[in-house]
Amino acid sequence: GIQVEQSPPDLILQEGANSTLRCNFSDSVNNLQWFHQNPWGQLINLFYIPSGTKQNGRLSATTVATERYSLLYISSSQTTDSGVYFCAVSDSWGKLQFGAGTQVVVTP
Amino acid sequence: AAGVIQSPRHLIKEKRETATLKCYPIPRHDTVYWYQQGPGQDPQFLISFYEKMQSDKGSIPDRFSAQQFSDYHSELNMSSLELGDSALYFCASSQTSRSEQYFGPGTRLTVT
Repeated sequence: GIQVEQSPPDLILQEGANSTLRCNFSDSVNNLQWFHQNPWGQLINLFYIPSGTKQNGRLSATTVATERYSLLYISSSQTTDSGVYFCAVSDSWGKLQFGAGTQVVVTP
Repeated sequence: AAGVIQSPRHLIKEKRETATLKCYPIPRHDTVYWYQQGPGQDPQFLISFYEKMQSDKGSIPDRFSAQQFSDYHSELNMSSLELGDSALYFCASSQTSRSEQYFGPGTRLTVT
């Protein structure tokens, strides 16, 4: 199956800081999604981005499918951004393979 | 906008009991997925259905079974529960097998 690696595993930010999370994957994919898992366990869709660049408020993401990586940018971080960020990919069969996640803590 | 609905949200069972988790996908979504997330782990794919037929299977124990009904809702049945089955169980749905998956709020199962 497809291997997904996320880095860094942990990130501590001061409120207002910017950060970049990375996701590498081992094979071509039909689907790539970024999720934020909040402290209550909910998985919140951030981006569906098998290729290209998207922006949503303070968050943006870029996927370079030919080089098999995706980046998630968080700008002007807020304490509500704390949680685990997952990258997940799928091949043609649809099931998502998740990375191990990046644990983000934003301090006031 | 309508989201994926899961019930119950929390469930406490004893070892060797059975549990049934329900999932109601977003209307007009034809594909349903089940994932299991253990403590401190990433979600792991269990099983999926497309148009009420099983379409793919992951590391789902033989003690677990699932189906999708004519109204497209899905149920995950878990028997002979073990302590290691304690986890967050997510259901997700998508319009097609290749499109964005939307996750429900999850069912937190605790086996004592």
